[in-house]
Amino acid sequence: EIVLTQSPATLSLSPGERATLSCRASQSVSSYLAWYQQKPGQAPRLLIYDASNRATGIPARFSGSGSGTDFTLTISSLEPEDFAVYYCQQRSNWGALTFGGGTKVEIK
Amino acid sequence: EVQLVESGGGLVQPGGSLRLSCAASGFTFSSYEMNWVRQAPGKGLEWVSYISSSGSTIYYADSVKGRFTISRDNAKNSLYLQMNSLRAEDTAVYYCARDRLRWLDYWGQGTLVTVSS
Repeated sequence: EIVLTQSPATLSLSPGERATLSCRASQSVSSYLAWYQQKPGQAPRLLIYDASNRATGIPARFSGSGSGTDFTLTISSLEPEDFAVYYCQQRSNWGALTFGGGTKVEIK
Repeated sequence: EVQLVESGGGLVQPGGSLRLSCAASGFTFSSYEMNWVRQAPGKGLEWVSYISSSGSTIYYADSVKGRFTISRDNAKNSLYLQMNSLRAEDTAVYYCARDRLRWLDYWGQGTLVTVSS
């Protein structure tokens, strides 16, 4: 089973700053990694799929990169609405989905 | 507009049963695989189950295998999760989500299941 480890657990930043979130897989997942944003009391929202493709309607300040075991979600300049929890996710060969533990981006 | 609306959550005693439903609209439901994902209070996301578009292929997380049953009715544009032998650790918000092979592109708002005596 592939394990996804996200770091840091919490990121304290100010609006306008750059956020860099990491997701590391215990073995290669090629480029098959997705990122989600979740705000309190809301369902997760798809941001990035296949490591670097923005989902429909996602602002250009969100970008994803990486392949193999190391992936990064970058928010180029934090807007007030970007403070939330972010999860990475991959699908195993037999169909199970695995999520990382999440990174909370909080206002400094 | 794609919409997924879950229902059926509530308070149930340990060992009890509950059936969740997810009503889909705004897309051709019968063409898409679907999933259930849950989130315990204050915790992260945990995948629960997957069903193919026809219902012929089904997967479960080890934590629910043998207790939960996923199903769908394409004529009614609905997804279901029958949950039996419920435990305290099954307490969570349950989301249905549309599958796009390697990611989930639309999620419902969730329904809360609380297992407690």
